[in-house]
Amino acid sequence: DVKVTQSSRYLVKRTGEKVFLECVQDMDHENMFWYRQDPGLGLRLIYFSYDVKMKEKGDIPEGYSVSREKKERFSLILESASTNQTSMYLCASERGTTNSPLHFGNGTRLTVT
Amino acid sequence: GENVEQHPSTLSVQEGDSAVIKCTYSDSASNYFPWYKQELGKRPQLIIDIRSNVGEKKDQRIAVTLNKTAKHFSLHITETQPEDSAVYFCAASIWGDKIIFGKGTRLHILP
Repeated sequence: DVKVTQSSRYLVKRTGEKVFLECVQDMDHENMFWYRQDPGLGLRLIYFSYDVKMKEKGDIPEGYSVSREKKERFSLILESASTNQTSMYLCASERGTTNSPLHFGNGTRLTVT
Repeated sequence: GENVEQHPSTLSVQEGDSAVIKCTYSDSASNYFPWYKQELGKRPQLIIDIRSNVGEKKDQRIAVTLNKTAKHFSLHITETQPEDSAVYFCAASIWGDKIIFGKGTRLHILP
């Protein structure tokens, strides 16, 4: 069974701090994604990656960056956290073949004060 | 880019009745339409998916239909049970491209 692990379940940070959210998958999946989930707004794509050192912007990349130095690890970076980035962040991975399903991590609930 | 609209945002049905959730998509090139279920406090999980070369797919009490001409697809749950209470997300993608989600439907099964 695919396992997608996010390093923190809950995180509290101060405005202006640099924040790292880590995600690791154990099934050699090609593609990895970061979504944020907010009530009434569903799952919105921040960034995704099809390969090591590759990254593509999603629908809401502003204020975020990502890093994929190894195939199994995909990091989301908030360069200078702001209160409007308080949210649930979900990492997902996908095999990369035709139409394969996303496997999600348990999520990180980030609060920026 | 792709845009996915999902309705209704909230749905309450009596236990044993059927529930229907509808989605529309904007990009006619989309060819993959998964549905995810997210129970309270848990991660979204795939429950059923359909590809553009198929009009309908069924798995026990769950079915999905796709109308490519109208660019809409629907999730049907029959004989609803308390464990069906959750948030359901539809999504659309083009092979090899990002998966775009609808805003979700919160389904309440009433006793």
